[in-house]
Amino acid sequence: GQSLEQPSEVTAVEGAIVQINCTYQTSGFYGLSWYQQHDGGAPTFLSYNGLDGLEETGRFSSFLSRSDSYGYLLLQELQMKDSASYFCAVRPGGYNKLIFGAGTRLAVHP
Amino acid sequence: GAGVSQSPSNKVTEKGKDVELRCDPISGHTALYWYRQSLGQGLEFLIYFQGNSAPDKSGLPSDRFSAERTGGSVSTLTIQRTQQEDSAVYLCASSATGDRNQPQHFGDGTRLSIL
Repeated sequence: GQSLEQPSEVTAVEGAIVQINCTYQTSGFYGLSWYQQHDGGAPTFLSYNGLDGLEETGRFSSFLSRSDSYGYLLLQELQMKDSASYFCAVRPGGYNKLIFGAGTRLAVHP
Repeated sequence: GAGVSQSPSNKVTEKGKDVELRCDPISGHTALYWYRQSLGQGLEFLIYFQGNSAPDKSGLPSDRFSAERTGGSVSTLTIQRTQQEDSAVYLCASSATGDRNQPQHFGDGTRLSIL
């Protein structure tokens, strides 16, 4: 089967850096993605890692280690608008669907 | 419009009734996905369409659930004889192709409540 684990909640202050970890177990693996979802809103794509290493997009970076079945999302210079739920998702081998984690709720405080 | 459009945005119905949920993907996107999300939970895959290929129905929870995609564009998810456990937000997404690195673009979802 497939499963993903990520922390349920993270709290941080404006301007800080926060890391959201994700570990996964899948039968086959075709990449780790991250999505952001504000309350009542649609999930929006943040990043994709198909290979090991760090991908950087502005204030957000994502890392993947396939040997450790582990990845993380790094958010820098936190802003109040970053308060949202963050989901890691894997694409199991041979399939185009995404398997999502339960999500990490990030609360950014002044 | 530029994004994925879903209708209705909210649907309240009585247990045992049938419901139809509609998804209009981004123009030109060949891949279309349905997911559902229960309160405070992650997204659960339901079904995937890619071009003219047979859909991947591996996530449909029971035979009460079905979906079709007409003309490679608009899709309809149908739930027959609804049950209270079907209450959730049903999300549709599309991507330009089915390639693994293609981001999925989500609609705002249909919030389904079964009384």
